[in-house]
Amino acid sequence: GDSVTQMEGPVTLSEEAFLTINCTYTATGYPSLFWYVQYPGEGLQLLLKATKADDKGSNKGFEATYRKETTSFHLEKGSVQVSDSAVYFCARQACALRTSGGSYIPTFGRGTSLIVHP
Amino acid sequence: SQTIHQWPATLVQPVGSPLSLECTVEGTSNPNLYWYRQAAGRGLQLLFYSVGIGQISSEVPQNLSASRPQDRQFILSSKKLLLSDSGFYLCAWSVGLNNQPQHFGDGTRLSIL
Repeated sequence: GDSVTQMEGPVTLSEEAFLTINCTYTATGYPSLFWYVQYPGEGLQLLLKATKADDKGSNKGFEATYRKETTSFHLEKGSVQVSDSAVYFCARQACALRTSGGSYIPTFGRGTSLIVHP
Repeated sequence: SQTIHQWPATLVQPVGSPLSLECTVEGTSNPNLYWYRQAAGRGLQLLFYSVGIGQISSEVPQNLSASRPQDRQFILSSKKLLLSDSGFYLCAWSVGLNNQPQHFGDGTRLSIL
């Protein structure tokens, strides 16, 4: 079945360090790819997205490139801040046939906790 | 602009009691609606989704149910809560296109005693 695999956390960094959170996905169905961020006690928010191969999504200094050849969508940031401490979810989304008809149901990774120290 | 509201924010219920969590969306029509559960330290588990009024798809067998009585209202219910129902419940909506994301509410923290 469809799946998204994220690196295990927590990832602990010092402020201004470089961040990479790895994500790989199953390629069936030409999925769109997303990164969401969840701050403590809140729901998920869209961070960035890419909808086709070689697209680069970017937002708030974060970037991720849709790599079809390696089925990867790694999240990067050049200089993290304490305020970036959160849980990050990678997700793939493609049409899935269900008994109720086709629908776009995302598949989420398990999330990676990022802790940034001053 | 579109907004999504979930309530209550926190809830403490005894085992065996009923449950009703409500989610409403404003500023869009005919959204796809979703209920997720997030156990502590774990990812998201899709519980139910709906592509229209009265249309509910269940992803996992459980003692929970969902209803969509109006276009932008989605309700998660249980007749008798179990200890294992504790968790963080999230409602989300989307426009139902491949390249469009989901939009999440702020969640309900449910504790079963």
